[in-house]
Amino acid sequence: KQEVTQIPAALSVPEGENLVLNCSFTDSAIYNLQWFRQDPGKGLTSLLLIQSSQREQTSGRLNASLDKSSGRSTLYIAASQPGDSATYLCAVRGTGGFKTIFGAGTRLFVKA
Amino acid sequence: DAGVTQSPTHLIKTRGQQVTLRCSPKSGHDTVSWYQQALGQGPQFIFQYYEEEERQRGNFPDRFSGHQFPNYSSELNVNALLLGDSALYLCASSFRESPLHFGNGTRLTVT
Repeated sequence: KQEVTQIPAALSVPEGENLVLNCSFTDSAIYNLQWFRQDPGKGLTSLLLIQSSQREQTSGRLNASLDKSSGRSTLYIAASQPGDSATYLCAVRGTGGFKTIFGAGTRLFVKA
Repeated sequence: DAGVTQSPTHLIKTRGQQVTLRCSPKSGHDTVSWYQQALGQGPQFIFQYYEEEERQRGNFPDRFSGHQFPNYSSELNVNALLLGDSALYLCASSFRESPLHFGNGTRLTVT
């Protein structure tokens, strides 16, 4: 059974800092991994999607890496801004079906 | 280009009642998935619909049922509501290998 864990659960950083959010998963037989952002009381916004055959994806100040063998992914945020404050969720789709399993998220607060 | 739209945005129901939530997928998407998100938790997969059929189901009781229409829109029905069903219900749409696109959800409160 796939389990997704995100560490830390919460993070507070000053504006301008580079930061890394971690995601680990127990079953390496994944189809893809996706990072999302969620603002309070809102839906999820897709940030980056990494297919199983890829090692990383980049979009603007965001870079996500994937290491299937170790069951880990990281989301790197460069030069953080107060507008980056949100909950970041990691989600994994396995190869055996269509279900996407989510971690509990990391709550990020960027102080101005 | 409209994204995923969900209705209603908020709903208050009493224990034992039934509720229907609606979802219109993003234009061009043919697959709809439903998730339940409790406060402070990640979304939990309820089920996915494709070609008007339930393609996969998560660990939810039969009180949770759904439907997909020929225009790809979808409904989630929950019968015999329990207090524990109070949550944010999220709909996500996709097409083939595209990323999941989520709506803003329906906040259901059961009293």
